Formats: sequence, C-alpha cells, structure tokens
Amino acid sequence: AQSVAQPEDQVNVAEGNPLTVKCTYSVSGNPYLFWYVQYPNRGLQFLLKYITGDNLVKGSYGFEAEFNKSQTSFHLKKPSALVSDSALYFCAVRDNTNAGKSTFGDGTTLTVKP
Amino acid sequence: GAVVSQHPSRVICKSGTSVKIECRSLDFQATTMFWYRQFPKQSLMLMATSNEGSKATYEQGVEKDKFLINHASLTLSTLTVTSAHPEDSSFYICSARRGVGVNEQFFGPGTRLTVL
Repeated sequence: AQSVAQPEDQVNVAEGNPLTVKCTYSVSGNPYLFWYVQYPNRGLQFLLKYITGDNLVKGSYGFEAEFNKSQTSFHLKKPSALVSDSALYFCAVRDNTNAGKSTFGDGTTLTVKP
Repeated sequence: GAVVSQHPSRVICKSGTSVKIECRSLDFQATTMFWYRQFPKQSLMLMATSNEGSKATYEQGVEKDKFLINHASLTLSTLTVTSAHPEDSSFYICSARRGVGVNEQFFGPGTRLTVL
C-alpha cells in the first residue's frame, strides 16, 4: 500500500524568508509525486510533479520540490515566501500499479506573516 | 491549465432529499474522474473513481447505493447523494484527469453540502 506523510500540521514563516513544507512517501516501484495547494473553500490547484529526470522540479508560483530517493522525500520549497502563499498544501503519491489512484497526505497549513 | 467546474458550489437541503452535484471538464476530455470528500481540516478521502462509460469503482466503506456516480461523457460526471442525512454534510470535490500516462489531476472548486 502506498502512503504519504506530511509531518507538520502547520508551518509559519515570515514574508521574504525561505519556506519548506515536508513530505515523505512510501510506495512500491517508482513513485510519481505531486504537490497541490488549496485555498479556503476551494478545490485543489496543481503546483508541480515529479515523474522522472532531474530531482529538482520547478512549478507554479515560484515553488520547487526536491525528490530524494534515499530519504523517500519530496519537500516543497520556495526561496522567498509571500503572504499570498498562505494556504493548505497537499503532497500526493501515485504508482503505476494502483489503477492510477493518488494518495494524499493530511495537508500542511502554511502561514506567511508580513 | 485545464479547468474543472462543479455545480452547485453550495447546497442546503432537508434530511431525506437527494442532491445531485455536477462535475465538468471544460476544456479537455477527462478519461478518469474522481470524487472526494473532505472534512474540515482533513485530507481528501477518495470516494470513487469513474471512467467514461463504465461503472464507478467505489472505495471500501463508501456506499454505492447512497452515492450514485454517473460518468456519462468525457466531460461530465455526476454524484447524487440519495436520501441525504446530516452526517453527509461535507465538502465534496471532484477531480478529472485526461488521457493516458502520468498526468496531474485537475480539481473542481468543490461543493459544500449541508443537510439539515
């Protein structure tokens, strides 16, 4: 069975500082990894994905994520946080043997303070 | 990016009534659609996966007779909550994925269902 862990319920950073939202995964075979963001009372928006290739993936709104196979991690990062980045972030994993279903983490609430 | 719409965005109904939620992919053909339920401050719970023209595959513990899913075309899927009760109150989100390969999911804006 595949699983995703987001160890932090809440991450607080000051505007302009770098941010990291952590994600670790467990899956058989090669992982397909995704990050999504959700604003209040809205659906999820796709940020970025890792399928293969470079371990550093760049996505929307200046976000990037680093795939680390040895640590089974896929942490989301941004060099300089904005107040508007405050939202709920979900990491998801999918393998190609699970009928294409994604498993989502419990989410991490990011708060960026001015 | 691809757009997925959901209608209605918010619905309030009396206990015992049925509610239909529509999910449409506006600018792409969705070979697979997913229905999720999300409780406050919790992750998404996958309810069912549907492919166009075939019966939906429900996750364990989800009552297929209560949550009727129809994926009639490549751009439309519906979720009908039959005989709704207060415990069915939740935020329902649909998602669509296009084509084959490892494609990301595009999510609808969600439907807030409140059953009185």
